[in-house]
Amino acid sequence: GQQLNQSPQSMFIQEGEDVSMNCTSSSIFNTWLWYKQDPGEGPVLLIALYKAGELTSNGRLTAQFGITRKDSFLNISASIPSDVGIYFCAGPRANQFYFGTGTSLTVIP
Amino acid sequence: SQTIHQWPATLVQPVGSPLSLECTVEGTSNPNLYWYRQAAGRGLQLLFYSVGIGQISSEVPQNLSASRPQDRQFILSSKKLLLSDSGFYLCAQGLDYGYTFGSGTRLTVV
Repeated sequence: GQQLNQSPQSMFIQEGEDVSMNCTSSSIFNTWLWYKQDPGEGPVLLIALYKAGELTSNGRLTAQFGITRKDSFLNISASIPSDVGIYFCAGPRANQFYFGTGTSLTVIP
Repeated sequence: SQTIHQWPATLVQPVGSPLSLECTVEGTSNPNLYWYRQAAGRGLQLLFYSVGIGQISSEVPQNLSASRPQDRQFILSSKKLLLSDSGFYLCAQGLDYGYTFGSGTRLTVV
C-alpha cells in the first residue's frame, strides 16, 4: 500500500513556540489533507490542499503542498495547550485516503 | 452538513464473544463509508470500505467482517473476539473533499 511518512514522530514543545512537521510519500498525490486528533476523539480535518505549491492558512496553522507533489508541510505558530494531539497527513488514492504515521504533539504550559 | 453517529463509545468484551459496532450517517446520500482501527493512539489502519449498499472491500484479512445493509448504515462485526481486536475503531465517510470521522468506539477485549 501507499506509504506516507511523517516526521517528527513526536514533539514536546513549550507553549508559545512554533511547530513544523512534514509528510513525505514515495508517489505523487493530487490532494493533501491535514487532520488533528484530540485524545479519545476522531480526527478532524484542519486544512486541505489541492494544487502543487499551494500555501493555505487556517488561523495559526499554515500548510503547503510540495512542488514535487510528494510532500506536504504543516506549521503551527505560537502553540497553545489545546494544540496537543496527533496530527495526520492524508492523500487520496482509489476510493480511499492513505494516512501518514502521525506526529504526536505535546505542549508544555 | 454530514454527521456520523457511532456507538457505543466504549465497550469491554470477553474473548470469544461476538461484536457489533454500528455507524450511521446523516446529511448525505450514497456516501463512501470506512472502518478504521487505531492501536495505541497512533496510526490509522483501514479495515473495510464500502462504495454502496452490499458492497464491501476488505483491506486486511482478520477476525472481523463488515456489512452495509442500508445506504447510510455501516456495521462492523465479529463472531469471536480476540485479545488483538482491542483498539479504537473509527467510522468515516466521504472522499472527494476528505473524510468526516465519527467519535470512535474504544473496544477492550479481556
